Amino acid sequence: QKEVEQNSGPLSVPEGAIASLNCTYSDRGSQSFFWYRQYSGKSPELIMSIYSNGDKEDGRFTAQLNKASQYVSLLIRDSQPSDSATYLCAVDAGGTSYGKLTFGQGTILTVHP
Amino acid sequence: DTGVSQDPRHKITKRGQNVTFRCDPISEHNRLYWYRQTLGQGPEFLTYFQNEAQLEKSRLLSDRFSAERPKGSFSTLEIQRTEQGDSAMYLCASSWTGEKETQYFGPGTRLLVL
Repeated sequence: QKEVEQNSGPLSVPEGAIASLNCTYSDRGSQSFFWYRQYSGKSPELIMSIYSNGDKEDGRFTAQLNKASQYVSLLIRDSQPSDSATYLCAVDAGGTSYGKLTFGQGTILTVHP
Repeated sequence: DTGVSQDPRHKITKRGQNVTFRCDPISEHNRLYWYRQTLGQGPEFLTYFQNEAQLEKSRLLSDRFSAERPKGSFSTLEIQRTEQGDSAMYLCASSWTGEKETQYFGPGTRLLVL
């Protein structure tokens, strides 16, 4: 069983719409949660980090965390074609594994004009 | 450029050869991580260092893989007797323990084993 699961893609949304990306994790003690964006052939680029339950907003991006449900999501408002990429959810379980990130398989997002 | 750098960016080798990759972290970062990523998958953790100490190695890392960070600055990842299954993108990331372990990735080294 995978430790970090992301909603199966690919996800296609029209320009200007809201894109919703979801992630669940199995380790209830996980402490830190990250969303990375990865363009084809490039390395992951950090978009958001979230550590506490609730919402965290940064520009067009909002991360949501619900530790009771072991669920983290990323909303992209006013989606642009330049947002087309693979989005990776990463979880730091903390404890003795502090600092080691476990990634989901990624969700491919396409924003079409 | 003050980001994480990796060298080489691409490597093509024949099966059975040894290869070595280098990673230079962001200068003030004390932690350095190696990950491997294959097509269609997220990165998989291989190993990490805090300063010069190697703190953890993944069970994915066979005896053919070795990593060093001799002076707590740059790191090398060596693969001995490469196999076709080693073909992947090898990613290095660094972080500062005072920044809630936010990891920043380098551009990666793409390895192709023929």
